[in-house]
Amino acid sequence: EVQLMESGGGLVKPGGSLRLSCAASGFTFSRYSMNWVRQAPGKGLEWVASMSSSSSHIYHADSVKGRFTISRDNAKTSLYLQMNSLRGEDTAVYYCAKEVGDAMDVWGQGTTVTVSS
Amino acid sequence: QSALTQPASVSGSPGQSITISCTGTSSDVGGYDYVSWYQHHPGKVPELMIYEVNNRPSGVSNRFSGSKSGTSATLGITGLQTGDEADYYCGTWDSSLNVGLFGGGTKVTVL
Repeated sequence: EVQLMESGGGLVKPGGSLRLSCAASGFTFSRYSMNWVRQAPGKGLEWVASMSSSSSHIYHADSVKGRFTISRDNAKTSLYLQMNSLRGEDTAVYYCAKEVGDAMDVWGQGTTVTVSS
Repeated sequence: QSALTQPASVSGSPGQSITISCTGTSSDVGGYDYVSWYQHHPGKVPELMIYEVNNRPSGVSNRFSGSKSGTSATLGITGLQTGDEADYYCGTWDSSLNVGLFGGGTKVTVL
């Protein structure tokens, strides 16, 4: 069964850092681009970052550029999101998603990040 | 990075058909045939319903269809059911800015 499982969310103070992880199973992780997508409370889906299968193409949304960094370890079949200088507006459920042809066909259950003092 | 434009809400009665529009630019929706649609029941995981404008993943009902004309894409739902009540998002890639884009979301209500 194809599965994605996020972890690492929690409560953090403004200016703090968190590292999210996404463990993949049931498919050949190294062959697929992967994404992070978030949903703030009461808001819609927002694309956060994308990384190609070989890590040669890395993109971040303007709203997180310079603060968040996407990475992956194909040997560990895992995707990561390092989040620094966190702000209140980063409060959201963060999903990792497998990409096929620019569509996200498998999503994890999500991990909640709350930025508050 | 502007979100794609979707109507905030669409409603219909059971058995009816509805459409949801998604408007972008020549750099995203109009740029190439990689528009996708997602169904999201609150508290659940988003589900891919349509990819590459008009293709359904296996397991998705043929009541769902997609199309595109110029810089606008459309999701159609026929034979509306109560289980179709959810938020729907279009998504694509902006090839000039190299960013992913989602629409603002459309809440579908079955009356």
